[in-house]
Amino acid sequence: NAGVMQNPRHLVRRRGQEARLRCSPMKGHSHVYWYRQLPEEGLKFMVYLQKENIIDESGMPKERFSAEFPKEGPSILRIQQVVRGDSAAYFCASSPVKDTQYFGPGTRLTVL
Amino acid sequence: GESVGLHLPTLSVQEGDNSIINCAYSNSASDYFIWYKQESGKGPQFIIDIRSNMDKRQGQRVTVLLNKTVKHLSLQIAATQPGDSAVYFCAENTLNTGNQFYFGTGTSLTVIP
Repeated sequence: NAGVMQNPRHLVRRRGQEARLRCSPMKGHSHVYWYRQLPEEGLKFMVYLQKENIIDESGMPKERFSAEFPKEGPSILRIQQVVRGDSAAYFCASSPVKDTQYFGPGTRLTVL
Repeated sequence: GESVGLHLPTLSVQEGDNSIINCAYSNSASDYFIWYKQESGKGPQFIIDIRSNMDKRQGQRVTVLLNKTVKHLSLQIAATQPGDSAVYFCAENTLNTGNQFYFGTGTSLTVIP
């Protein structure tokens, strides 16, 4: 059973561009979570999704950030008009139920 | 918001010694806790969890202790090995109210050969 997959592993964008981060949960997992991690810090919750539904987006910035988890395909975290402060590692986690979350390897976003 | 913090940001131990990593939390309603290990450039890896109806849980070479009275969590690693060098995070959750896990800043463990 493959683990949580994230791609790309590294993403470089210039200010003002869009970043799209993808997450494929573990097989059988219908709950997906996105976290952001700044250097030397812990993970900060952003959003929790189930298939086709956003359940909790209390950690998402109000502007420029959006997330989806379509019926088919991976979950997408989209950042529009990126700024340097968006540079961070973005981790996706999945779980089969509302329980232990298993993390992917992360996408490291660098905004130039 | 909730606060989850670690007492020691760095810890160095000799190979073969036992390691103890501590964590304090502030939300008395927290009822589920996980310890994660994160190696450089990788995602957090689940180590062990504990629910609030327990005060101790053991895994392979690891033990988690929960003291709800003082809202304190610890991770004990027996016979620490070089491969244990990583950053360790505690995370807490309130299962009945939400899916957010609140993470501490992390403790960097270095094992000296």
